[in-house]
Amino acid sequence: DGGITQSPKYLFRKEGQNVTLSCEQNLNHDAMYWYRQDPGQGLRLIYYSQIVNDFQKGDIAEGYSVSREKKESFPLTVTSAQKNPTAFYLCASSAGTGANVLTFGAGSRLTVL
Amino acid sequence: RKEVEQDPGPFNVPEGATVAFNCTYSNSASQSFFWYRQDCRKEPKLLMSVYSSGNEDGRFTAQLNRASQYISLLIRDSKLSDSATYLCVPRGSTLGRLYFGRGTQLTVWP
Repeated sequence: DGGITQSPKYLFRKEGQNVTLSCEQNLNHDAMYWYRQDPGQGLRLIYYSQIVNDFQKGDIAEGYSVSREKKESFPLTVTSAQKNPTAFYLCASSAGTGANVLTFGAGSRLTVL
Repeated sequence: RKEVEQDPGPFNVPEGATVAFNCTYSNSASQSFFWYRQDCRKEPKLLMSVYSSGNEDGRFTAQLNRASQYISLLIRDSKLSDSATYLCVPRGSTLGRLYFGRGTQLTVWP
């Protein structure tokens, strides 16, 4: 079945460490996105990519980095510069380069100890 | 002004009730809208797309009021399984951008 796979599902990190969250899709979608969700809050856009080797900052890109070397993959690195990284991270994709319907992965829950 | 605003609720209704949520948006150029459903600690899933004045899918009806810039979601004959958070998503002006509201929490009790 086509879909988006995020890993790991749960991740614990010590302060000062960088971590990378994986996102892989086999939907042949052009666009991919990373969102962050905090308890009781809406989704906030971190980065998005409409095409391979290109990506744009979202509303809260500081402390995060991404790459899009392959169409299927859009990993997110949470760096030590991110002051409050504990959150639920959601990867999504959409067909075409417009903001069409999003398909989400199951999410990665990061906790900083 | 935020791109999209929703009443966070919570809405607590009995089974069989009809409930409606409103969502206001700031970008008058928004042409398409989505309602997503998110269960607790899960990813959002598309409930309904709205490209014109409204859409109906079984017990769910979405209505768009462009003049007042709000979109509503009506749920008839509520089921226990409808308990979730409902996210309003207008398409933003920047290509590739969708803006998510905080969501409206619904609890349906037996």
